Amino acid sequence: DAGITQSPRHKVTETGTPVTLRCHQTENHRYMYWYRQDPGHGLRLIHYSYGVKDTDKGEVSDGYSVSRSKTEDFLLTLESATSSQTSVYFCAISKGTFYGYTFGSGTRLTVV
Amino acid sequence: QQQVKQSPQSLIVQKGGISIINCAYENTAFDYFPWYQQFPGKGPALLIAIRPDVSEKKEGRFTISFNKSAKQFSLHIMDSQPGDSATYFCAASVGSSNTGKLIFGQGTTLQVKP
Repeated sequence: DAGITQSPRHKVTETGTPVTLRCHQTENHRYMYWYRQDPGHGLRLIHYSYGVKDTDKGEVSDGYSVSRSKTEDFLLTLESATSSQTSVYFCAISKGTFYGYTFGSGTRLTVV
Repeated sequence: QQQVKQSPQSLIVQKGGISIINCAYENTAFDYFPWYQQFPGKGPALLIAIRPDVSEKKEGRFTISFNKSAKQFSLHIMDSQPGDSATYFCAASVGSSNTGKLIFGQGTTLQVKP
């Protein structure tokens, strides 16, 4: 989607290895979010950021950490990947509550 | 109390028919209710949204109906077309929290048959 890119688009990794997913925006939006999408669960919030170096946990944050050192970049790290973290990960950006989200195209992560 | 429950899980509609997807919530502090549309291999995209001060909002063939007392809202797709075949998510957030974070429903896969 315009203004937001995720990398990589696909990744296969082994159990126990650390993995970092990147979200980059060119919209200068304050808010950034990481969600995971799994069948039957919809989109579940992992972590979010409301400014540079300001982050907080979502509903499924165990096993994940995030960092935001610049407005445009929001990194999601799986500290030690497990098979239960096999999922599609989406980053989203927003100007604020009543403006809605713009989502990236997603990262399909497979942990083997 | 933070959940948003969406139904049905899947829906098949004939071309030209009306598609209806329902969502229910418990948290009365929710005050922003958007719907997102997702095509395979893509990220969700904002379709239409409503605030609780109105009972209905229409944009083209898409209408949100909102029932504050029942804590329910629904998406109606009139004259459904094969191009509407996608997964639809309802969501809700608390505007006063100033975090902007959305709680999503489980999603509905819509198939419109030609």
